[in-house]
Amino acid sequence: AAGVIQSPRHLIKEKRETATLKCYPIPRHDTVYWYQQGPGQDPQFLISFYEKMQSDKGSIPDRFSAQQFSDYHSELNMSSLELGDSALYFCASSLGVTDTQYFGPGTRLTVL
Amino acid sequence: AQSVTQLGSHVSVSEGALVLLRCNYSSSVPPYLFWYVQYPNQGLQLLLKYTSAATLVKGINGFEAEFKKSETSFHLTKPSAHMSDAAEYFCAVSEKGSSASKIIFGSGTRLSIRP
Repeated sequence: AAGVIQSPRHLIKEKRETATLKCYPIPRHDTVYWYQQGPGQDPQFLISFYEKMQSDKGSIPDRFSAQQFSDYHSELNMSSLELGDSALYFCASSLGVTDTQYFGPGTRLTVL
Repeated sequence: AQSVTQLGSHVSVSEGALVLLRCNYSSSVPPYLFWYVQYPNQGLQLLLKYTSAATLVKGINGFEAEFKKSETSFHLTKPSAHMSDAAEYFCAVSEKGSSASKIIFGSGTRLSIRP
């Protein structure tokens, strides 16, 4: 079965650079979620979208923004990167807002 | 606010022994509860979920968990550990019925299996 696709899988950036992470949900899923997992930490919710509208917001820095497009894929834009942004970024998708979330493999971002 | 507490950041059992990973939750509304597993350098895989049907939930790889409202617990068990079970396990909670419910994860329990 098709799973959540995230790209790139690995990304290395310098401080103050920008990064864009992409998430392609499972076909027909209309809800996407972004989570950040720091080294040795549990995943922390950043933001979610349902039917292309932001539906919930967590601990997402103002330097980050995200959107969901008409084909339901989502992009997380990160600017003025800091060393502390180095983490594994997961996207999850679900069919409807209360369905089970299925996670992608993650994008590992390293900020040097 | 919702939260989950996982007791024990590291659990070590012998191969073939019972696995018990403890999780207690706090929620002001009926919760959805989950167990996810994360193998090294990999994503999160759903093991099982509780959504108010049967209180004993069976998942993949021989794992199961029992929802006990009186104890606010959702402990994960497996009768006989296998070497391939070594991983990080996260208990998680989300609000039932709310829009695009975010998942709140516990701090994780690393399971090690001794030969």
